[in-house]
Amino acid sequence: DAGVIQSPRHEVTEMGQEVTLRCKPISGHDYLFWYRQTMMRGLELLIYFNNNVPIDDSGMPEDRFSAKMPNASFSTLKIQPSEPRDSAVYFCASSLIGQGGEKLFFGSGTQLSVL
Amino acid sequence: EDKVVQSPLSLVVHEGDTVTLNCSYEVTNFRSLLWYKQEKKAPTFLFMLTSSGIEKKSGRLSSILDKKELFSILNITATQTGDSAVYLCAVRGEAYNTDKLIFGTGTRLQVFP
Repeated sequence: DAGVIQSPRHEVTEMGQEVTLRCKPISGHDYLFWYRQTMMRGLELLIYFNNNVPIDDSGMPEDRFSAKMPNASFSTLKIQPSEPRDSAVYFCASSLIGQGGEKLFFGSGTQLSVL
Repeated sequence: EDKVVQSPLSLVVHEGDTVTLNCSYEVTNFRSLLWYKQEKKAPTFLFMLTSSGIEKKSGRLSSILDKKELFSILNITATQTGDSAVYLCAVRGEAYNTDKLIFGTGTRLQVFP
């Protein structure tokens, strides 16, 4: 299995631009999570999906952030418009919960820099 | 509010030393506690603990959970430079029909030769 695949690996953009981060979870996993990691706040859960349905988006910082999961093999996290304070590493993770598989498998992350 | 607190924030040791990393938590309807190791990029899974008093072991690493006192420890014996990483503790609870994995800010371990 290729694991969780994220793209791009690095994104540098200017303030005000739209940013789209992409994630392909591990095949067969029914949960997908988006996390943001910064030095100050550590790993923060932004939103998670179960069977493609958003379950909890209380961690999404504001309306500039949106996430979709149109099918079981693809999810996007969009920031529009982006701001310098959005600079962080964004991780996508997937898991198969309910069958003793509560552990998350993380992608390699997207390093976002907003100038 | 659910929270996970790790200590110490940072630890510097020499190869061969033994270290103990701490994780305390407050979470609604606790389900499990997980330890992850993060070296450069993605965190990688180490242990999942659900029952008190049962030690999980993998080589030089071991971990145990105390559900009464709401904490867990991660022990690393005979440390090596390859153990240098950030160690993350995460707790899964269940509240309001959702089950989130909440992470602590991590303990940064540096092992010098």
